[in-house]
Amino acid sequence: EPEVTQTPSHQVTQMGQEVILRCVPISNHLYFYWYRQILGQKVEFLVSFYNNEISEKSEIFDDQFSVERPDGSNFTLKIRSTKLEDSAMYFCASRGRRGASSEQYFGPGTRLTVT
Amino acid sequence: KNEVEQSPQNLTAQEGEFITINCSYSVGISALHWLQQHPGGGIVSLFMLSSGKKKHGRLIATINIQEKHSSLHITASHPRDSAVYICAVRWDTGNQFYFGTGTSLTVIP
Repeated sequence: EPEVTQTPSHQVTQMGQEVILRCVPISNHLYFYWYRQILGQKVEFLVSFYNNEISEKSEIFDDQFSVERPDGSNFTLKIRSTKLEDSAMYFCASRGRRGASSEQYFGPGTRLTVT
Repeated sequence: KNEVEQSPQNLTAQEGEFITINCSYSVGISALHWLQQHPGGGIVSLFMLSSGKKKHGRLIATINIQEKHSSLHITASHPRDSAVYICAVRWDTGNQFYFGTGTSLTVIP
């Protein structure tokens, strides 16, 4: 069964460093998402991406964040200068088509620890 | 402020019990998603609903659009059902999903 994959599973970085989190969505999917979950808190939407551009973003997704689909298969989230409060689990998700009944499929997540 | 509320926050059940987890939301939605988050953190999609009822194995999800309420039922619960169950909604006015805080379920053998 096709699945969303994410790498790395765990990333440790120092404050101020840039990190890139990678996702490979399901191959025929068209809509891509990043979410984050700070430990002990609820999942929060970061950004959605469709047709090679951001379609929606939350207040969390400020200038320190960017997304890219560089090669038609990978979908990346870059944090330019990490802060301690960026420590969280980051989930990528993809969806195949428009419409209310179209499910999102989640990747296993990348745990980011900023020290 | 648009809200998603889940209840209960924590639930402990004996194996075999029938379980109900509730989700209420404050304004109109275009879709509601029930998700399962395992202790390791991974998230699995269970159901996507915009109306009515869906069933998959021992899981049943219902939604009442007028009452702005959805329930997730687990019949004949099993210890492997122990997880956090999350309700997420997509408001009528946007495309992003807003998540509830989750219901932590523990099923005891």
